[in-house]
Amino acid sequence: AQKVTQAQTEISVVEKEDVTLDCVYETRDTTYYLFWYKQPPSGELVFLIRRNSFDEQNEISGRYSWNFQKSTSSFNFTITASQVVDSAVYFCALSVGTGFQKLVFGTGTRLLVSP
Amino acid sequence: EAGVVQSPRYKIIEKKQPVAFWCNPISGHNTLYWYLQNLGQGPELLIRYENEEAVDDSQLPKDRFSAERLKGVDSTLKIQPAELGDSAVYLCASSSIAGGPSNEQFFGPGTRLTVL
Repeated sequence: AQKVTQAQTEISVVEKEDVTLDCVYETRDTTYYLFWYKQPPSGELVFLIRRNSFDEQNEISGRYSWNFQKSTSSFNFTITASQVVDSAVYFCALSVGTGFQKLVFGTGTRLLVSP
Repeated sequence: EAGVVQSPRYKIIEKKQPVAFWCNPISGHNTLYWYLQNLGQGPELLIRYENEEAVDDSQLPKDRFSAERLKGVDSTLKIQPAELGDSAVYLCASSSIAGGPSNEQFFGPGTRLTVL
């Protein structure tokens, strides 16, 4: 069975602080994809990144960076110099295999960035 | 490009009443998903359509839930009768290509259902 654990329920930071959101996944499949989605107060989930199990390179996109470590089954997300607009719920998700993309989501981490 | 459209955004009903949610996916997307999101939880897949065919409805409580996607474009999810435990956000998503775990799903804003 597949499982995604986001142990941090809520994180509060002050603007310009760096913050890391943790994600630990479980799967016995060797082929899988990991995702991060952002859910602002408006409700829709916004896709941030997708990573496949064969690519452990870290990725940086502006203030966002992702650290994928298969050895610890983790796919952590760091926001550098956080801004108030980053306030949202962030979900980590997993899909396995080469067939249909059924996403298994974690319970989410609520990030509150105060001015 | 317009995103996934859902209506209504909010719905309040009394238990045992019927309710329906509507979703219009991104133009050209042949795969449509309905998700249930309980408070403080991540979304859970209810049903997936490839064009007008429901190819995965194993998580849909078929005693009270039904869905349809006539003509393979927009879709309706119905609950009849609604129960208190159905209070949640119902999300619709679409993607462009069937199969393949790398395909990105685009989500709508959801319908927040409150059952009194």
